[in-house]
Amino acid sequence: RKEVEQDPGPFNVPEGATVAFNCTYSNSASQSFFWYRQDCRKEPKLLMSVYSSGNEDGRFTAQLNRASQYISLLIRDSKLSDSATYLCVVGPGTYKYIFGTGTRLKVLA
Amino acid sequence: DTGVSQDPRHKITKRGQNVTFRCDPISEHNRLYWYRQTLGQGPEFLTYFQNEAQLEKSRLLSDRFSAERPKGSFSTLEIQRTEQGDSAMYLCASNHGSGGYTGELFFGEGSRLTVL
Repeated sequence: RKEVEQDPGPFNVPEGATVAFNCTYSNSASQSFFWYRQDCRKEPKLLMSVYSSGNEDGRFTAQLNRASQYISLLIRDSKLSDSATYLCVVGPGTYKYIFGTGTRLKVLA
Repeated sequence: DTGVSQDPRHKITKRGQNVTFRCDPISEHNRLYWYRQTLGQGPEFLTYFQNEAQLEKSRLLSDRFSAERPKGSFSTLEIQRTEQGDSAMYLCASNHGSGGYTGELFFGEGSRLTVL
């Protein structure tokens, strides 16, 4: 079993739609959680950290479920510019970060 | 520009040749990471430095791979006797950490290696 698993997609959604991604992790001792965004042939960039209480940043909401060992990302009112690959990142220790394979999102006009 | 910089951005080499990549992290960052990414996959952890000490090395890093961070500033990743399977994007990232704190990774734009 992979340490961090994501559905690779692609998710093709119309503009304005709401889309949700899940990510599961295997190490119950994991301490830090993030969503990164990666555009084609570019480096990953932090989208948002994920906190135990859940957090929201504009149209983006991240949730953590420690009991079931998954994190989620919800994107509301999708924009064309949201088209990218979304990488789930889990920190099982004090410094090591494990990336999922990424979920591809394509927002269609 | 005070971000993470990597050099070269692109490298094409023949099988069997040695290649070296350089990473200059953000200046105040004490932690530096190397990742490898192939098409359709997420970045895979290769190795990690805290200051000049290499604290972890993935089993993905065969004996043909070596990384250094001699003065706790820039780092180099060398691949000896390259193989076609080494073709990938090599990403460097840095952050500042102490104790149990884990924060955002800042990535460079990557060094794309093609082995012919």
